[in-house]
Amino acid sequence: QSVLTQPPSVSAAPGQKVTISCSGSSSNIGNNYVSWYQQLPGTAPKLLIYDNNKRPSGIPDRFSGSKSGTSATLGITGLQTGDEADYYCGTWDNSLNGVFGGGTKLTVL
Amino acid sequence: QVQLQESGPGLVKPSGTLSLTCGVSGGSLSSSNWWNWVRQPPGKGLEWIGEIYHRGSTNYNPSLKSRVTISLDKSKNQFSLKLSSVTAADTAMYYCASGRMADGMDVWGQGTTVTVSS
Repeated sequence: QSVLTQPPSVSAAPGQKVTISCSGSSSNIGNNYVSWYQQLPGTAPKLLIYDNNKRPSGIPDRFSGSKSGTSATLGITGLQTGDEADYYCGTWDNSLNGVFGGGTKLTVL
Repeated sequence: QVQLQESGPGLVKPSGTLSLTCGVSGGSLSSSNWWNWVRQPPGKGLEWIGEIYHRGSTNYNPSLKSRVTISLDKSKNQFSLKLSSVTAADTAMYYCASGRMADGMDVWGQGTTVTVSS
């Protein structure tokens, strides 16, 4: 069982918007930055969002991140079939441990 | 742009030691950065294994701490993972990555599959 809780799956139609939640506690999300990773089938994870809401160079602004208290949210607008992937949140825990969410599978219907 | 490449045996016997190396190209291991190992069992999610700072400080996942060692080899511009007393539960894709869980791991290797089996 993961320290951070994500919904196992979400789905939406092309062009629509979807959000993925990530719930933690005061020892992790509540006091640390959150990052988000996209893992396309058969590939390594890719950093999408860091420091709660910043996008690395090359990541389109269709992807956004936010954090409130002990929860974080990844938003994706203008869904494309190429966005179908597993999405993971991650952060640092004050027990000196890196922690990931269990992952959310996005299906673009 | 830094690139990372994992290498090592794809098959390890139970109770043995898993040893992997991550080669760093396009940058120096001695730059101000952290270097990580992350694994993913078949069909499951990501698990952070540990990190090492370019000066040698380490942090490990408490659930693996007694079996894990991450080290640097600056002469070869690479860092390594050793995981002892392996069981079938350690079968996974192993990734190396740069950065920190605290603020995002921005570069990942392509991963290497390790199977624990006799």
